[in-house]
Amino acid sequence: TQLLEQSPQFLSIQEGENLTVYCNSSSVFSSLQWYRQEPGEGPVLLVTVVTGGEVKKLKRLTFQFGDARKDSSLHITAAQPGDTGLYLCAGEYAGGTSYGKLTFGQGTILTVHP
Amino acid sequence: SQTIHQWPATLVQPVGSPLSLECTVEGTSNPNLYWYRQAAGRGLQLLFYSVGIGQISSEVPQNLSASRPQDRQFILSSKKLLLSDSGFYLCAWSVGLAGNEQFFGPGTRLTVL
Repeated sequence: TQLLEQSPQFLSIQEGENLTVYCNSSSVFSSLQWYRQEPGEGPVLLVTVVTGGEVKKLKRLTFQFGDARKDSSLHITAAQPGDTGLYLCAGEYAGGTSYGKLTFGQGTILTVHP
Repeated sequence: SQTIHQWPATLVQPVGSPLSLECTVEGTSNPNLYWYRQAAGRGLQLLFYSVGIGQISSEVPQNLSASRPQDRQFILSSKKLLLSDSGFYLCAWSVGLAGNEQFFGPGTRLTVL
């Protein structure tokens, strides 16, 4: 079983602060996605990383895929209340018969206070 | 553009009653389709996935079943609901290419009483 450990589970910060969410595994993933979800809605895809060491930026969000493709991070600069939500990492395992399936982390609930 | 629909949006059912949740995708052909269940504020547990009509793979033993009668239709069913079936059910699709980006529907909140 391929597991993605996401940390922290909860994050409560003030507007303007920076934060980082981590996603770690002992397994190699062929790709990794980050999603953001608001209460009562489905997750929305933020980014996909596929190359070891890859860095992608989406406005104030920076995503990094580890060199060995076993871990990833999401960094938010100058957080805003609109960033509040559940952040999920999900990876497609590189080996075995996991074609087409994603393994999800447990999620990070982010609250940004004005 | 592609869209994904789920209905109903919310459902309250008594224990022992049947269940049918429906998911349809528009704007794409032969998608991979997925059913997930999500506990409150947590990650997603994959229940079923399908790579084609009539092809269903079950990920965990449970009280639920899935069917894919048409290319872009995915149905989640149960003959007799249990209390533990309560949760937020999400349908997703992907085109199955490298990166396997999945796109989610709005979800169905199921409460079993």
